[in-house]
Amino acid sequence: LAKTTQPISMDSYEGQEVNITCSHNNIATNDYITWYQQFPSQGPRFIIQGYKTKVTNEVASLFIPADRKSSTLSLPRVSLSDTAVYYCLVGDPYSTLTFGKGTMLLVSP
Amino acid sequence: EAQVTQNPRYLITVTGKKLTVTCSQNMNHEYMSWYRQDPGLGLRQIYYSMNVEVTDKGDVPEGYKVSRKEKRNFPLILESPSPNQTSLYFCASISWTSGGAYEQYFGPGTRLTVT
Repeated sequence: LAKTTQPISMDSYEGQEVNITCSHNNIATNDYITWYQQFPSQGPRFIIQGYKTKVTNEVASLFIPADRKSSTLSLPRVSLSDTAVYYCLVGDPYSTLTFGKGTMLLVSP
Repeated sequence: EAQVTQNPRYLITVTGKKLTVTCSQNMNHEYMSWYRQDPGLGLRQIYYSMNVEVTDKGDVPEGYKVSRKEKRNFPLILESPSPNQTSLYFCASISWTSGGAYEQYFGPGTRLTVT
């Protein structure tokens, strides 16, 4: 059961790149790393998932080092609407999925 | 539209009065799950189901029951709710992509208050 550690909060300004790092020292071989975004009173929304190296989609990039003990979500050029809580989830649905406590990202003008 | 739906969205009840929160998905997913979310604790998995008639405990199953008689539905049952079950509840379903990767879809949430 991989536990995750993320910063509680981060601040940024519009147009900047934001990197949020998640530590998961006891990640298992079958575990994927998934990041979610959550706005108040809404369900989490899938952002990106990876197993190793780098993954990129239209909204974010995910960097995973070779030892897979950490991962970094990169949000390019954030806007005010990116203010949300970001969760790192490391796990395998064949066993319990445990979310971390999340990182509250505040984007200011 | 592909979605996970939950009902009710808001519920206020009293201690000991049995209640059921329904969850339904229209994506033909085999895997469904329930989470609760409390301030400062993130999301914690209550139960999950890999398929019809197959359910397993998550991190916090005490005080909850589930059943999975049909693929699309996964109701959460609180037989005797207590105030410590006041929380925001999310249902989710998972689709498998390639090589063990998956994508999890969440419902809109049910805010439950037990007095």
